[in-house]
This record gives sequence, structure tokens and C-alpha cells, in this order.
Amino acid sequence: QVQLVQSGAEVKKPGASVKVSCKASGYTFTGYYMHWVRQAPGQGLEWMGWINPNSGGTNYAQKFQGRVTMTRDTSISTAYMELSRLRSDDTAVYYCARDGDYDSSGYYYGIDYWGQGTLVTVSS
Amino acid sequence: DIVMTQTPLSLSVTPGQPASISCKSSQSLLHSDGKTYLYWYLQKPGQPPQLLIYEVSNRFSGVPDRFSGSGSGTDFTLKISRVEAEDVGVYYCMQSIQLPGLTFGGGTKVEIK
Repeated sequence: QVQLVQSGAEVKKPGASVKVSCKASGYTFTGYYMHWVRQAPGQGLEWMGWINPNSGGTNYAQKFQGRVTMTRDTSISTAYMELSRLRSDDTAVYYCARDGDYDSSGYYYGIDYWGQGTLVTVSS
Repeated sequence: DIVMTQTPLSLSVTPGQPASISCKSSQSLLHSDGKTYLYWYLQKPGQPPQLLIYEVSNRFSGVPDRFSGSGSGTDFTLKISRVEAEDVGVYYCMQSIQLPGLTFGGGTKVEIK
């Protein structure tokens, strides 16, 4: 079964960087794009970008351009999201989420599986 | 970015009664490939979101048939025919016709009376 297991909670100071990992299992890692989505405390979901684990190609939301870097290590089926120059409003749960496949009728699943989330707290 | 507007913000439902959530997009979600990229997720307390409905009206694996999705263009609806206690949480609609720029609705919190 598809599993996305993320790294543990982090506490960072303003201005620092954080790198969150997402280890995939139960499917071919390089066959599916990986999204990163974050959720501030008590707030909704915000898309940050995605990575093609096969090519390493990325696409970032404009809001995060210049501060976010998404990478992968195919040898260990793991995706990474690094956010730099952290601010207090970056405090959030960060999720990795797989971009899915098509069903037998050709309908597209969209984002079908999510990691458990990683809480990143930014505080001085 | 495409703005997704959900109503209501919250819903309190008696078990066994129906519930309905609306999601409106600022632009049509019908792509030139004929697909409509509208999805519904449920985020139960303390959990990540889980996929309920894909491409407007298709239930994901394991999703009970009391959940149904409908709509087209810019107006979409998620219906729960008979709400159960396990359905509590926050429901989100999402569009992925525009990438980059995937966006979610603000969420609708469903609780049991």
C-alpha cells in the first residue's frame, strides 16, 4: 500500500532554514509527481509546489519562489522540501502528497495520498 | 490564481440527515482535454486530508456511497446523503486545472449535533 512517511517536528529560529523529508513506499517513486502543501495552525491548505521525482524538475508557487527548494533522492525513494529565511508565519504543518494516476475509466485521481505531516515551528 | 469559495463555513448535522457543501471557482475548471479538475477532501481531526471525490463525481477507493459529488464549470457540490459520526471534520474542494497555482477552498467544518 502507498505510504508517505515524513520526518519529525522541527523548531527553528527566524531566518533559519528547515528541510523536511518524505519517504515513499508501496509504489514506484519515480512514476508520480510529489506535491508539498502546508497548513498554518487552524487555517486552510496552501500549495507550495511539486517535484517530478524522475527528472528532478520542479514547479513552485509564486509565493515561495526564491525561498523553497524541492529535491529528491531516488536511491532511497525520498523527497525533500527545504524552506529558507524562515519567518514566524511559516509556522505550519507541512505535508507531502502524491500526484496520482488514472483510474480504469481514464479519470485522474489528482492528489491521492498524503504524508502524516511535519510540524515546523518558527520562534525566537 | 483561481479562487475557490466554499459555503457554508460550518455545518451542524443530526446523524442520519443529509448535508450539502458548495464550492465555486473564479474560473471554469473544464479543461480543453474534456476533464474537469475538481476534487474533494476530508480532513479529520489531527489527520492529513484524505481524497473523497476526484474529477467532480468519482468516489475514491473505500469512500462510502453516501458521498456524492456533482457540478460543472464553476459550480460544484458535495453531498452526504446520511451523515454519520465518522464524517466529522473539515471538507475542502481543490482545483488542479491551473498548475502551478493549485488552490483549495477555505474549508467547511462539519460537526454532529
